[in-house]
Amino acid sequence: AAGVIQSPRHLIKEKRETATLKCYPIPRHDTVYWYQQGPGQDPQFLISFYEKMQSDKGSIPDRFSAQQFSDYHSELNMSSLELGDSALYFCASSLGFGAGGPGEQFFGPGTRLTVL
Amino acid sequence: KQEVTQIPAALSVPEGENLVLNCSFTDSAIYNLQWFRQDPGKGLTSLLLIQSSQREQTSGRLNASLDKSSGRSTLYIAASQPGDSATYLCAVRRDGNKLVFGAGTILRVKS
Repeated sequence: AAGVIQSPRHLIKEKRETATLKCYPIPRHDTVYWYQQGPGQDPQFLISFYEKMQSDKGSIPDRFSAQQFSDYHSELNMSSLELGDSALYFCASSLGFGAGGPGEQFFGPGTRLTVL
Repeated sequence: KQEVTQIPAALSVPEGENLVLNCSFTDSAIYNLQWFRQDPGKGLTSLLLIQSSQREQTSGRLNASLDKSSGRSTLYIAASQPGDSATYLCAVRRDGNKLVFGAGTILRVKS
């Protein structure tokens, strides 16, 4: 079965640089979520999109922005990178509430971002 | 604010044992609860999803129960195997879309 695809899998950036993470949800899933997992920590919700509109917002820094495109893939843009942004970034997808789905979230393999 | 707590933080058992992982949450008005498995440095694999109207879900050797009124869920693993060694995360979904995670239980099954 098709899973959530994330690219790149690994990314190394310098401080103050920008990074773009991409997420391709499971086919027919209309909701995308972004989570950040720091070393030794549990995943923290950043932001989600349903049908290309932002549906919920968590602890996402103002330096970060995200969007969902017409093909339902999503991109997380991160600017002015800081050392503390080094983490695993997960994308998840699900059927949205509007589709009557159970809302089970399926996670991608993650992008490991290292900021030097 | 929803808080999720998992006990124990770590568990080491010999192969073949049955074991129980515990998850508690402070706000019982949840939409659903998911159990995940995470191998070191890897992604999260969804194990079981329990809707708020359900009491339990089963998948193979895994059984998860939900007592929403008391804010508790348990994950039961039967006949544990070394391949079950991983971190097990509990996450609850209230309103909105976000999952709130517990800190996880690190499980080691010794052969």
